[in-house]
Amino acid sequence: KAGVTQTPRYLIKTRGQQVTLSCSPISGHRSVSWYQQTPGQGLQFLFEYFSETQRNKGNFPGRFSGRQFSNSRSEMNVSTLELGDSALYLCASSLASGRTDTQYFGPGTRLTVL
Amino acid sequence: AQRVTQPEKLLSVFKGAPVELKCNYSYSGSPELFWYVQYSRQRLQLLLRHISRESIKGFTADLNKGETSFHLKKPFAQEEDSAMYYCALRGNSGGSNYKLTFGKGTLLTVNP
Repeated sequence: KAGVTQTPRYLIKTRGQQVTLSCSPISGHRSVSWYQQTPGQGLQFLFEYFSETQRNKGNFPGRFSGRQFSNSRSEMNVSTLELGDSALYLCASSLASGRTDTQYFGPGTRLTVL
Repeated sequence: AQRVTQPEKLLSVFKGAPVELKCNYSYSGSPELFWYVQYSRQRLQLLLRHISRESIKGFTADLNKGETSFHLKKPFAQEEDSAMYYCALRGNSGGSNYKLTFGKGTLLTVNP
């Protein structure tokens, strides 16, 4: 089975722009979670989608949003980019949204905001 | 609120020595605990979870509810164990508690 894929792998944007990141889960997985990874804050949960519905949300401003499509692919959007948004954005997929479901991570998208 | 603390940012041991990576958590209910590992230039992957009580690559971890700890141990470290290790917690009720909360990670270096 192919693993979780994320596109693009690298992205450079300037402050004020917006960006959209994409995540394709493992075939058959219906839950997708997004995380932000930075050297200072580590891995922080952004949000989780299951069957096209947002199930959980972390403590991030409204500039961060996401959605999930009927084929379980997910996108994350960040509007009005700030320097502090520079990070590795990881997505993870799992079969379902329960607490016992193992999350499988993608390679991440490295976003640099100049 | 749920919180995971990994007190050591860096841990360096020699090959063949025992290794223990510490993880303490804060959660009012009964959590599910995980250890994830990230080898150099590879993606984050699950190493083990307390509910399955299995040993992976020689690593074990025991959930100590009294001390709210889930330390990762291996009796004899190998050079290939060098990696970043993250402890993570998931709550036991619905809603936002199902999210994974990660510690900030411990970089383990096993020297020859």
